[in-house]
Amino acid sequence: RKEVEQDPGPFNVPEGATVAFNCTYSNSASQSFFWYRQDCRKEPKLLMSVYSSGNEDGRFTAQLNRASQYISLLIRDSKLSDSATYLCVVNNPGNNRKLIWGLGTSLAVNP
Amino acid sequence: DGGITQSPKYLFRKEGQNVTLSCEQNLNHDAMYWYRQDPGQGLRLIYYSQIVNDFQKGDIAEGYSVSREKKESFPLTVTSAQKNPTAFYLCASTGTGELFFGEGSRLTVL
Repeated sequence: RKEVEQDPGPFNVPEGATVAFNCTYSNSASQSFFWYRQDCRKEPKLLMSVYSSGNEDGRFTAQLNRASQYISLLIRDSKLSDSATYLCVVNNPGNNRKLIWGLGTSLAVNP
Repeated sequence: DGGITQSPKYLFRKEGQNVTLSCEQNLNHDAMYWYRQDPGQGLRLIYYSQIVNDFQKGDIAEGYSVSREKKESFPLTVTSAQKNPTAFYLCASTGTGELFFGEGSRLTVL
């Protein structure tokens, strides 16, 4: 089993749709979780951290399910500008280098 | 404005040549990282440094070398020993958790 797994997609959705991505992780001791967004041929940028209680930032909601070892990202009212690849990142215990990156989920929002 | 600057953005190299990618940050971050990204693959860690004058190999260090003589700078050398150097190289730094990335350097070996 991979350390971090994501559905690669692509997810093709119309503007205004709600779309959800899941990301599973294998290490039950993982401590920190993040969602990054990466546009084509650009660097990743932090979208949001994922907290145990779940967190929301505008149209974006992130949730953590420790029992089932997955995190999710929900995007409501999709915009064309949301089209990108969404990367799940897990920080395992130990030194700083233990950031494990998923391969990303591709989202295309269509007019 | 604080941030991470990578240069060059695009670089072409002939086989057998070494090339050095620059990474400079003014965020006062202790930890810096070099990643490589290939199409269809996730980010893979090449080298990282948690403090000046110290660095550690990542998962794919073979054919690469780094130095960390100053807190602000973490250059990466792609040597001729790297068999498949064509890739997108990303430098990052962190203070307390979030990784900040430079805009990347796209290396093509001809």
